[in-house]
Amino acid sequence: SAVISQKPSRDICQRGTSLTIQCQVDSQVTMMFWYRQQPGQSLTLIATANQGSEATYESGFVIDKFPISRPNLTFSTLTVSNMSPEDSSIYLCSVERLEETQYFGPGTRLLVL
Amino acid sequence: GDSVTQMEGPVTLSEEAFLTINCTYTATGYPSLFWYVQYPGEGLQLLLKATKADDKGSNKGFEATYRKETTSFHLEKGSVQVSDSAVYFCALSEGGNNRKLIWGLGTSLAVNP
Repeated sequence: SAVISQKPSRDICQRGTSLTIQCQVDSQVTMMFWYRQQPGQSLTLIATANQGSEATYESGFVIDKFPISRPNLTFSTLTVSNMSPEDSSIYLCSVERLEETQYFGPGTRLLVL
Repeated sequence: GDSVTQMEGPVTLSEEAFLTINCTYTATGYPSLFWYVQYPGEGLQLLLKATKADDKGSNKGFEATYRKETTSFHLEKGSVQVSDSAVYFCALSEGGNNRKLIWGLGTSLAVNP
């Protein structure tokens, strides 16, 4: 498995501002993923972040809105830019370990007013 | 494309009842299959997985068997507890170079004492 931490665990933000979420893993991993989980819903993949290359975004998500950094093999950040109330969600990072298995961080609960 | 279909919830059971949560999938290749659990207010935890046909994943009294002939991966537990109340997600990994997880919509389980 993997020990994954996220900061902040929750935040309340004003519309038009930006929030950067950090994801730290206890060991080196190649692939990291960022998901969004809107209230009462399933997970939606935002992007895949590999170290040393640009993030790969899923349909409906763009780099200007969700810039991602992956400076090394244990750390990544996701920024939610120019926030609106529709961005209120839980944001989760995950890492892939053996046999295509993903392990998740505890999530960041974001409320945009 | 690949997809996962879960039975709709919420499912409400009494303690010690038998649990089945149905999950079927469509995939062009040979995916790995997963069940994740999300307890109230927490992140996602891997519950069990199976990587090839006829494999049985098991954990905490839960079981699921990878049935290629019926393209199913139903989650079962013989005697549920109040502490099993959570949302359960079925997912598949397409494998190969595509490391995405394809998610079901989740099934909410409430166990009453």
